[in-house]
Amino acid sequence: DGGITQSPKYLFRKEGQNVTLSCEQNLNHDAMYWYRQDPGQGLRLIYYSQIVNDFQKGDIAEGYSVSREKKESFPLTVTSAQKNPTAFYLCASNRPGTHVGGEQFFGPGTRLTVL
Amino acid sequence: GNSVTQMEGPVTLSEEAFLTINCTYTATGYPSLFWYVQYPGEGLQLLLKATKADDKGSNKGFEATYRKETTSFHLEKGSVQVSDSAVYFCALSDRTDSNYQLIWGAGTKLIIKP
Repeated sequence: DGGITQSPKYLFRKEGQNVTLSCEQNLNHDAMYWYRQDPGQGLRLIYYSQIVNDFQKGDIAEGYSVSREKKESFPLTVTSAQKNPTAFYLCASNRPGTHVGGEQFFGPGTRLTVL
Repeated sequence: GNSVTQMEGPVTLSEEAFLTINCTYTATGYPSLFWYVQYPGEGLQLLLKATKADDKGSNKGFEATYRKETTSFHLEKGSVQVSDSAVYFCALSDRTDSNYQLIWGAGTKLIIKP
């Protein structure tokens, strides 16, 4: 079955540590996205990538970094510079030819807790 | 700029009740509108969409009509089930917006009691 996988489902980190969240898709989608979700709030865009080796900042990129070395993979690193990293992180992707604002497909999410 | 406003939750209903979740939007161009659903502990799934005025999106008994005159895209279902308990997100995208991306509402939590 095609889809988006995120790992791990739950992640705990100590303050001051960097942590990398995995996102893999086998849908042959070109564009991929990272969102942050906080309780009672909508999704906020962290970074997105429309093509391999290229990515753009979203609305809340500070304290995060990404890479896009392969079409299938778009890992997100939460750095120690992110002041309030505890949240639910969602990865998504678009079909080929779909614009950034078009329909997106989501992974199951990773819940990050900073201890 | 573009924005989406949803009714605050939680919305609590009994099984077989009629559901309406309000969504209104502000857009400078001609947006596409979406409803996504998020079941507990999961990612989001597209529930339905509409790409132009007067279009009706429908799926799994849910419906929403794109009303340009009232800038609304309210989600409705005639008879809800316990399994419909989830968080529902309204979203828009506007191709004429230089910041062309999905704009999200805050989400509305729906609780259905048996």
